[in-house]
Amino acid sequence: GQSLEQPSEVTAVEGAIVQINCTYQTSGFYGLSWYQQHDGGAPTFLSYNGLDGLEETGRFSSFLSRSDSYGYLLLQELQMKDSASYFCAVRGTGGFKTIFGAGTRLFVKA
Amino acid sequence: DTAVSQTPKYLVTQMGNDKSIKCEQNLGHDTMYWYKQDSKKFLKIMFSYNNKELIINETVPNRFSPKSPDKAHLNLHINSLELGDSAVYFCASSQPSGRGEQYFGPGTRLTVT
Repeated sequence: GQSLEQPSEVTAVEGAIVQINCTYQTSGFYGLSWYQQHDGGAPTFLSYNGLDGLEETGRFSSFLSRSDSYGYLLLQELQMKDSASYFCAVRGTGGFKTIFGAGTRLFVKA
Repeated sequence: DTAVSQTPKYLVTQMGNDKSIKCEQNLGHDTMYWYKQDSKKFLKIMFSYNNKELIINETVPNRFSPKSPDKAHLNLHINSLELGDSAVYFCASSQPSGRGEQYFGPGTRLTVT
């Protein structure tokens, strides 16, 4: 089967750095993605790792180790607007099926 | 221009009724999806269509019937609504290759009373 594990909640202060980890089990792997969802909003795509290593997009970076079935999302210079839920997701089954983790609720405090 | 749109945004209805949600994307994507997000924010794939063909059906009760008249539209019809169907339903689209970045619609909050 397919499953992903990520922490349910993380709290950090403005300006800090936070790392959200994700471990996965999947049959067929087409990459690990991260999505952000604010309360009442829709998930929005943040980053994608198809190969091992680090991908950087502004304040956000994402890392993948396929041998460890592990990835993380790194958020730097935290801002209040980063308070949201963050989902890791893996694609399998020819790229047509994406399984989402249960989400990590990030609280950013002043 | 809205990339992925859904109607209606809110739907309140009684048990046993039948309702439909419509979805349209103007991104030229080949693949469209329906997801259900429950009160604990767990996002679960229901259906995946590619070029109007059903690819994934995630053991969804057959009261749920998706229809894709063309690759820009994917509608969801639900028969005999039950209390447990209350959730937010998201439509999404992507290209299956490359990053597979998914673009989500704004969601339809369905409340069954």
